[in-house]
Amino acid sequence: GQQLNQSPQSMFIQEGEDVSMNCTSSSIFNTWLWYKQDPGEGPVLLIALYKAGELTSNGRLTAQFGITRKDSFLNISASIPSDVGIYFCAGQRGYGGSQGNLIFGKGTKLSVKP
Amino acid sequence: DSGVTQTPKHLITATGQRVTLRCSPRSGDLSVYWYQQSLDQGLQFLIQYYNGEERAKGNILERFSAQQFPDLHSELNLSSLELGDSALYFCASSPNPGSTEAFFGQGTRLTVV
Repeated sequence: GQQLNQSPQSMFIQEGEDVSMNCTSSSIFNTWLWYKQDPGEGPVLLIALYKAGELTSNGRLTAQFGITRKDSFLNISASIPSDVGIYFCAGQRGYGGSQGNLIFGKGTKLSVKP
Repeated sequence: DSGVTQTPKHLITATGQRVTLRCSPRSGDLSVYWYQQSLDQGLQFLIQYYNGEERAKGNILERFSAQQFPDLHSELNLSSLELGDSALYFCASSPNPGSTEAFFGQGTRLTVV
């Protein structure tokens, strides 16, 4: 099925570092969401974006809805050990019916630098 | 805790068998979604129900079916299981079918041997 291109696939962080990841698509989306998944758990919604150009923060997390509506970015500032996990972007093309369902990226896995 | 409950957490079964996964949505949510998560395909949308009616279908195989009951809980039935069906199956719920903010359960890990 259709998926979003999420990068990087994985990255190592050192406590205190800023982290950036992004998601791109060849299609336009009306909504972008960012989820985090911890081992053994389901994805948890971090940030929802509804408007092109929108910049939204949730604590140390900031996400942006790209102007072209084909991409989104997530930044984590001053990372801490509990930021480790897999981050997924998800897009929704429309509202209701099959348009209302989420299409997910393959995730960015954040690990701690050894 | 998202408020979405999935049972069982783990399931091991043999090829050719049939299993049923169960989901109770968050209180007040009318819409239920099923997703399959595998290592190579990531999170794939399977099917959506809203207030007992099928709302949308994604990449759901013909061997799979689902339903939503009057009390709003949902079941995903997987039959003639193959090794490739081994995956995490997530249920998510939202208040209405157009809502973007779906809340996920902890998932059922299915292993087909």
